[in-house]
Amino acid sequence: SQQGEEDPQALSIQEGENATMNCSYKTSINNLQWYRQNSGRGLVHLILIRSNEREKHSGRLRVTLDTSKKSSSLLITASRAADTASYFCAPMSGGGADGLTFGKGTHLIIQP
Amino acid sequence: GAGVSQTPSNKVTEKGKYVELRCDPISGHTALYWYRQSLGQGPEFLIYFQGTGAADDSGLPNDRFFAVRPEGSVSTLKIQRTERGDSAVYLCASSFGGVSEQYFGPGTRLTVT
Repeated sequence: SQQGEEDPQALSIQEGENATMNCSYKTSINNLQWYRQNSGRGLVHLILIRSNEREKHSGRLRVTLDTSKKSSSLLITASRAADTASYFCAPMSGGGADGLTFGKGTHLIIQP
Repeated sequence: GAGVSQTPSNKVTEKGKYVELRCDPISGHTALYWYRQSLGQGPEFLIYFQGTGAADDSGLPNDRFFAVRPEGSVSTLKIQRTERGDSAVYLCASSFGGVSEQYFGPGTRLTVT
């Protein structure tokens, strides 16, 4: 796998607003995953988007992928306090079970 | 069903001591991964098992670190002659072989004094 770079590093918004974070990577991918981490412990897999997909939805999450720009975005709509967490992207060059390489993530804070 | 479990949840040890960290993956998951995470950083890949064998150990920082998975299920990460720089949260994850989504455990916080 290769390392993705998340941007911004920190984001603070009001509850109910939408949050958008971005991920850039360097070489071609098979798929890209997004993970969430609360309180510095275990990560939770949110969504996987394949290289031939442009957009994918899961509940309040929307992920886009632009392979020409080597970038992805994660949109969280109608944010809630429980969305406060760090978000990481993991671009995968292979399609199988490889170790993931994470950047520093985007730390999202939802203000009540 | 049960998720990935890790024991202990916290471990404090003195510099120079030996520690073992245990990971119980999700039943049926053939792939198992170890990562470590320092404060303010993303998780750093250490080693990946497919079944009993280490498919990729390129992330192990030096020969003080070793991991085993003798029966293709539970894994133990072993750290010899611990150093203060080894202090971190050690995360374990598992997945079905050939599938990319990984399921993480809650981690073991290791503190070396």
